[in-house]
Amino acid sequence: DQQVKQNSPSLSVQEGRISILNCDYTNSMFDYFLWYKKYPAEGPTFLISISSIKDKNEDGRFTVFLNKSAKHLSLHIVPSQPGDSAVYFCAASAWSGAGSYQLTFGKGTKLSVIP
Amino acid sequence: DADVTQTPRNRITKTGKRIMLECSQTKGHDRMYWYRQDPGLGLRLIYYSFDVKDINKGEISDGYSVSRQAQAKFSLSLESAIPNQTALYFCATSGGFTTQYFGPGTRLLVL
Repeated sequence: DQQVKQNSPSLSVQEGRISILNCDYTNSMFDYFLWYKKYPAEGPTFLISISSIKDKNEDGRFTVFLNKSAKHLSLHIVPSQPGDSAVYFCAASAWSGAGSYQLTFGKGTKLSVIP
Repeated sequence: DADVTQTPRNRITKTGKRIMLECSQTKGHDRMYWYRQDPGLGLRLIYYSFDVKDINKGEISDGYSVSRQAQAKFSLSLESAIPNQTALYFCATSGGFTTQYFGPGTRLLVL
């Protein structure tokens, strides 16, 4: 049972336009959400996060929106650049007891930004 | 220098062989993790450790074991490798609660 879903395996966007990557979750205990970016032959790198007490967090060209009632979050990249081409993973965190938070990852969305 | 390093970066082995993947970190974090990534399946947690004396199973621990030799070192072993353990393996660390920092990965092929 997949608790974090990224339903679009891939997305193509023109350079300069907005990229919107979507993520849905089912576990209402998730209270912190993260986006990671992964280039080929490299490990995932942390991009941006949001706490469940907020509905928006911005960092430069990257904005994450959280809709708790819909159990949905999205990552907006504006403007998109060719260097943004990568696989983006959505991750959600919940307290699992004994001093631990664990991350549950989606399957990823491959973003291609076309020059 | 990278904060989280993994060795080897690539490994080819045969069914039944024992292999070890190693992870070192210079971030000073207490928490370390091992994940595997398969095409179309995202990242799945194998084992995690919150300090040298603490080892916990993750979602897919069968067929794997780990050792936390020091705060900075966490190794993953496949006691008897099988072809469906062919995957990309990532080590990660975290210092507090949620954000984890990943190594560059080890690509493992089991023939």
